[in-house]
Amino acid sequence: GIQVEQSPPDLILQEGANSTLRCNFSDSVNNLQWFHQNPWGQLINLFYIPSGTKQNGRLSATTVATERYSLLYISSSQTTDSGVYFCAVSNTGGFKTIFGAGTRLFVKA
Amino acid sequence: DAGITQSPRHKVTETGTPVTLRCHQTENHRYMYWYRQDPGHGLRLIHYSYGVKDTDKGEVSDGYSVSRSKTEDFLLTLESATSSQTSVYFCAISGDKGQGAHEQYFGPGTRLTVT
Repeated sequence: GIQVEQSPPDLILQEGANSTLRCNFSDSVNNLQWFHQNPWGQLINLFYIPSGTKQNGRLSATTVATERYSLLYISSSQTTDSGVYFCAVSNTGGFKTIFGAGTRLFVKA
Repeated sequence: DAGITQSPRHKVTETGTPVTLRCHQTENHRYMYWYRQDPGHGLRLIHYSYGVKDTDKGEVSDGYSVSRSKTEDFLLTLESATSSQTSVYFCAISGDKGQGAHEQYFGPGTRLTVT
């Protein structure tokens, strides 16, 4: 099956800093999502991005499907950005989705 | 927010007892999923459903069964709970039409402790 690797595993930022989170996957995919799990455990959809680039406020994401990676950019980080960021991929049209282990982000005030 | 609820939200049970978790959606989405999340891991797929009475196994299906008798409800059953099934269980839904088809939305989770 597909292997998903996220980096870095942990990240500590000062409020206002920018960061880039990476997701590498081992096979071609037709589904890719980024999620934020907040400190209360809720999973929040950030991007559905099997290819291309999207932006939503301070967050943007790029997936280069041919090179099997996706990047999540967080600009001007805020303490509310803290939590775990997951990349999830599938090559079966959304079934049998595989999650990465996540990047744990802590933003200091 | 997608209309997904899970019940119960918390449960403590003893080893060997049966447990059923419920996922209910109000979005009329075709696909429903059950995942478990353990410390240090991302989410792992247990079972999924692609329609009423249509289900299939995921990555970690041993010890679990599912049923879907109505579009809106997807049940996860642990026939005889074990301590290794202590986890947080998430339900997800996705549609199959239009832009973003198969984008998954998650419920709030159920924390299950097996003692």
